[in-house]
Amino acid sequence: DAEITQSPRHKITETGRQVTLACHQTWNHNNMFWYRQDLGHGLRLIHYSYGVQDTNKGEVSDGYSVSRSNTEDLPLTLESAASSQTSVYFCASSPSTDTQYFGPGTRLTVL
Amino acid sequence: QQPVQSPQAVILREGEDAVINCSSSKALYSVHWYRQKHGEAPVFLMILLKGGEQKGHEKISASFNEKKQQSSLYLTASQLSYSGTYFCGTDNNAGNMLTFGGGTRLMVKP
Repeated sequence: DAEITQSPRHKITETGRQVTLACHQTWNHNNMFWYRQDLGHGLRLIHYSYGVQDTNKGEVSDGYSVSRSNTEDLPLTLESAASSQTSVYFCASSPSTDTQYFGPGTRLTVL
Repeated sequence: QQPVQSPQAVILREGEDAVINCSSSKALYSVHWYRQKHGEAPVFLMILLKGGEQKGHEKISASFNEKKQQSSLYLTASQLSYSGTYFCGTDNNAGNMLTFGGGTRLMVKP
């Protein structure tokens, strides 16, 4: 079955380290998104992509970067992790203007 | 700008009904509704498009008032499985880029 996966599911890192979170989907969706969700808050968009080689900044993009070299993957990189980036990160994909399908999430703790 | 959801929380008994509202300050192309259970990913419930098209869950209905830039989610004859946090996501320009509201926590008790 087609699906969207994220890895790792849990990550603990130290301030200043570079961290990369993986997102992989097998639906062949053009659109992919990264969100962060903080306790008691909704989802905030970090970066998004409408296709290979296309990336765009979202609402809270500072300190994050993405690259899209193929349709299936959109890795999210924290260049120099900060404690304020402790959060749950969700990746999502969508075929067009239709619904977004979310991955299981990655819980990141920055100490 | 983030859409505003109301109420922030609601407690129901099984079988009771609930309405969750989502209001935007910008013109809307579509509204997407999701439910998230604790520790899990958001799950799609319904999408409402400008012009009246709806796609989604059989037992959950919703309305979309384009003039008022509002959407409401109607949960009828609630079941224990309806418990969770409901989020609306708004798309202002058909770009599939959603801005999510702060969520409504729904608890259904036996």
